[in-house]
Amino acid sequence: GQQVMQIPQYQHVQEGEDFTTYCNSSTTLSNIQWYKQRPGGHPVFLIQLVKSGEVKKQKRLTFQYKEAKKNSSLHITATQTTDVGTYFCAGPPNSGYALNFGKGTSLLVTP
Amino acid sequence: KAGVTQTPRYLIKTRGQQVTLSCSPISGHRSVSWYQQTPGQGLQFLFEYFSETQRNKGNFPGRFSGRQFSNSRSEMNVSTLELGDSALYLCASRPTTATNEKLFFGSGTQLSVL
Repeated sequence: GQQVMQIPQYQHVQEGEDFTTYCNSSTTLSNIQWYKQRPGGHPVFLIQLVKSGEVKKQKRLTFQYKEAKKNSSLHITATQTTDVGTYFCAGPPNSGYALNFGKGTSLLVTP
Repeated sequence: KAGVTQTPRYLIKTRGQQVTLSCSPISGHRSVSWYQQTPGQGLQFLFEYFSETQRNKGNFPGRFSGRQFSNSRSEMNVSTLELGDSALYLCASRPTTATNEKLFFGSGTQLSVL
């Protein structure tokens, strides 16, 4: 079945450094969604990418959907302590309706 | 609008017992999905209900079951609990099952099996 993989699993950065997490699917995705889960919280939707090559920005966050629609990335510029959490990507399966989530990248930012 | 509500927030059970978790979706949302979250395993899909019908099921044993009521509220049941069932169980709702719709998650039920 379809698999969604994320790397790295963990990332520890100093405040002000950049951070990137990568999402790879074993099959082409019709769309990809990104979620953030703060420690002790629940996943919260960040953004959805639909078009091949699409790039979207939310303040310091840049989301990219690669040409083959199997890969995506999230880049955070100049991290802040408020960026701490786990970032998940998710895509719809080839059949069915539910979203398949990657295992997430946990980001720790130290001041 | 009120968000997705899950009850109870915490639950402690012993092996062999059964448990029922409840989820009330956002008003107007007819799809409810359940996920199991354990450290290092991310979010693993359990099942999704839409209009009282199970539309999709993940790779979990038959001890895990669910249902949805006419008001879209959903319950999840786990029978014959095992230690490995200890996890955060998250419920998420969306208006329909369209794959381009985002999920709205509840705060989850933290289940501990002793």
